[in-house]
Formats: sequence, C-alpha cells, structure tokens
Amino acid sequence: LAKTTQPISMDSYEGQEVNITCSHNNIATNDYITWYQQFPSQGPRFIIQGYKTKVTNEVASLFIPADRKSSTLSLPRVSLSDTAVYYCLVRGGTASKLTFGTGTRLQVTL
Amino acid sequence: DVKVTQSSRYLVKRTGEKVFLECVQDMDHENMFWYRQDPGLGLRLIYFSYDVKMKEKGDIPEGYSVSREKKERFSLILESASTNQTSMYLCASSLPLRTSGWTYNEQFFGPGTRLTVL
Repeated sequence: LAKTTQPISMDSYEGQEVNITCSHNNIATNDYITWYQQFPSQGPRFIIQGYKTKVTNEVASLFIPADRKSSTLSLPRVSLSDTAVYYCLVRGGTASKLTFGTGTRLQVTL
Repeated sequence: DVKVTQSSRYLVKRTGEKVFLECVQDMDHENMFWYRQDPGLGLRLIYFSYDVKMKEKGDIPEGYSVSREKKERFSLILESASTNQTSMYLCASSLPLRTSGWTYNEQFFGPGTRLTVL
C-alpha cells in the first residue's frame, strides 16, 4: 500500500503561488497520483491527476519528477476561497480503494 | 450535474440504537464507498461496493455493515451504535476502475452526515 506524506498545514497570502509537496516513496509502477480538495462542511472533490511529468488544468498544475517518489501540487495566485484541506492520494491496495491521509490544511489570508 | 446525496446532514442517536445512513447517487456509477472522517485521522474507508449486492471491507469495517440492493443506493448500518462511532460519514461514488491499470475514475462525494452518538 503506497503511503503518502505531506505537510500538515501551510499559510499563504492572497495572490501568491502555493506549492504543496507530497512524498510517496513506494509508489507502484501502475499507480497514478491524485489530489483532492475539501472545503469545510463538504466532501472532498477531485482536482487533478497525473502519472509523470506535468499535468495542468483550469484549477492547478501537478509536477511529478522522473522517479515519481514525490509530486507537487501548484495553485497559481491563490484567493481566500482556496482555503481548504488538500489530499494527495496514490492508488494502493485493490483497484478501487483509495487511501486518504490527513491532508494539508491551506490557509489563505489577505 | 453529478450528484451524491446523503439522507441527513446531522443525526443524533443513543448508544445501542441501530442506525441507518443512506446514500443515493444519480450518475449510474457502479462503485460506491463509505468513509468516516475524524480530526487528525483524515478519511478512512469503511466499506465499498462495486456492484449491486457486492461489497468489500475497507480499512475499518468493525462495527459497521452495508447494504446495496439497488445500483443507486448504498446504506451504511451501525448495528448497535457506540460513542466511538461519533464522526462525520461521507459517501462517494465512481465509475469502475479502467482495466488498463493506468488510471481510475474520480470519486464524487456527498455532503456528509455528522453523527453524534450519546
């Protein structure tokens, strides 16, 4: 089962770029890396997923180095509404099961 | 628009009561999941179902059971509620994993049910 490690919390000012790094040293060859975002009193929602190099969508970018032992979620120019918990997941165990860690609590202030 | 609904946002029950948490999805998804979320522990998988009447234990199934009689509905049952089951319960659904092994489909979550057992 691939375990992930990410910072417990981060603080940022509005308008800055935020990078959250996740380590997953025992990622398997077929595993994808996925990030979810959770606002208070809501369920998590999918942000981005990748296998290697770089993936970008309208919300974020995901950078994955060649060894795939870590990944970095990049949020460009954060706003107050980006205050949330961000989870890094690696598909582990049986195919459908996901393992959520404790996530990174991002606090954005003015 | 994708939608996962849960029967209650807040629920208060007494120790020993039988509790049913209902989840309904309107996306025709094969997979459905039940998680609990506790401070400092993140989300932990209780059970999941990959088809009607099929289920598989997650990481913390003790004290829980599930039922999936129809594709759109997945119920979590606490046979005899205890105070340590006070938690936020989240339901999710997804399409089945692509057999290629190179990707999987995202999970869509409901709003959660905050259960308090007194």
